[in-house]
Amino acid sequence: AQSVTQLDSQVPVFEEAPVELRCNYSSSVSVYLFWYVQYPNQGLQLLLKYLSGSTLVKGINGFEAEFNKSQTSFHLRKPSVHISDTAEYFCAVSSLSGGSYIPTFGRGTSLIVHP
Amino acid sequence: ETGVTQTPRHLVMGMTNKKSLKCEQHLGHNAMYWYKQSAKKPLELMFVYNFKEQTENNSVPSRFSPECPNSSHLFLHLHTLQPEDSALYLCASSQDWNPGTDGYTFGSGTRLTVV
Repeated sequence: AQSVTQLDSQVPVFEEAPVELRCNYSSSVSVYLFWYVQYPNQGLQLLLKYLSGSTLVKGINGFEAEFNKSQTSFHLRKPSVHISDTAEYFCAVSSLSGGSYIPTFGRGTSLIVHP
Repeated sequence: ETGVTQTPRHLVMGMTNKKSLKCEQHLGHNAMYWYKQSAKKPLELMFVYNFKEQTENNSVPSRFSPECPNSSHLFLHLHTLQPEDSALYLCASSQDWNPGTDGYTFGSGTRLTVV
């Protein structure tokens, strides 16, 4: 079985400050990892994904994430946030479980960017 | 506008009503999904369709009835719902039923309120 833990339910930060949103997962097999963003009144949009290869993954809107196998983490970072980054962020893990790669989602982290 | 369109965006219904949610994808994907999103809970997978065939039903109550007439359209028929069914219902699609590497494309969701 696989699971995802997003350690922070809410992260407030000032505009132009750096931010890190934490994600830890558990799985007994190789995994694929994803971050999705959900803006108010919208569906989820894929930010970035890790499949294999380089552990540092770059995504849209200046976000990046680093896969750390030993710590089973996939934290999302941005060096300088904008007001427009205010949204809900979801980490998801996918592994071959029961013949399917259906992902498991975390509970989400609300990023609140203050002016 | 994403490649997955959901209608209506908002729906208020009484517990004795019958209504339907519609989802249409314009991406040529072969798999479609219904998810339920409740506040501060992980996304709950409800149904999976692959090439119009239902491949997964996550113990969803029978008051929710899916229909997939073709690979581009997905419906969720609702009847005799309960107030705890109020949530955001998200439709998603993926190239095939193993979205492990591509991830999902989500619609904007239908905000359902049961009164």
